[in-house]
Amino acid sequence: QSALTQPASVSGSPGQSITISCTGSSRDVGGYAYVSWHQQHPGKVPKLIIYDVSNRPSGVSNRFSGSKSGNTASLTISGLQTDDEADYYCSSYASSSTLVFGTGTKVTV
Amino acid sequence: EVQLVESGGGLIQPGGSLRLSCAASGFSISANFMNWVRQAPGKGLEWVSVIYRGGSTYYADPVRGRFTISRDNSKNTLYLQMSSLRAEDTAVYYCATGGGNYLEDWGQGTLVTVSS
Repeated sequence: QSALTQPASVSGSPGQSITISCTGSSRDVGGYAYVSWHQQHPGKVPKLIIYDVSNRPSGVSNRFSGSKSGNTASLTISGLQTDDEADYYCSSYASSSTLVFGTGTKVTV
Repeated sequence: EVQLVESGGGLIQPGGSLRLSCAASGFSISANFMNWVRQAPGKGLEWVSVIYRGGSTYYADPVRGRFTISRDNSKNTLYLQMSSLRAEDTAVYYCATGGGNYLEDWGQGTLVTVSS
């Protein structure tokens, strides 16, 4: 049950695109199509922005997109906005019916 | 509207026990997979435990054998019984649920502080 690996920080300018990686193993990210991403602003509750690798919940901007290749999942934020400045966490279903979160990435705009 | 409200957090001495509750409304907890997730101060999210629709339960390695997840369908309430608490268990504890293997709905969290 090791945490998935994310870069500690990613930065970009308004309007640019950034990508956050999330690396696991065949026991989690690589073994299932159940990767999700959450956005968390300081002092707030995490918000689901991507589920099942690339699906967006209703109401989430299409500027957020997800993908996966092998043991690595990615979140891309296009048209970066100041409100996108937050912490982002990936998570994946893992063997033994558990969930595992990523280490988290601080996005600075 | 789905609503999750946690309670039961507080200051507890190392080695002590505490029971967290999560009152749900807007859906039936028996029909969903219900999770506990925690976040230590200034740290990332950590999955703690899940109870599935059928009643199966699973735990993260750091809490297995010390924490027990359960639910009362008649009260539509989820619980987390925590024992042998350690300083490293200090965190905000969230209950969370979703339609599949993802967590869409979260409570506001309850803070547990383990300290002497």
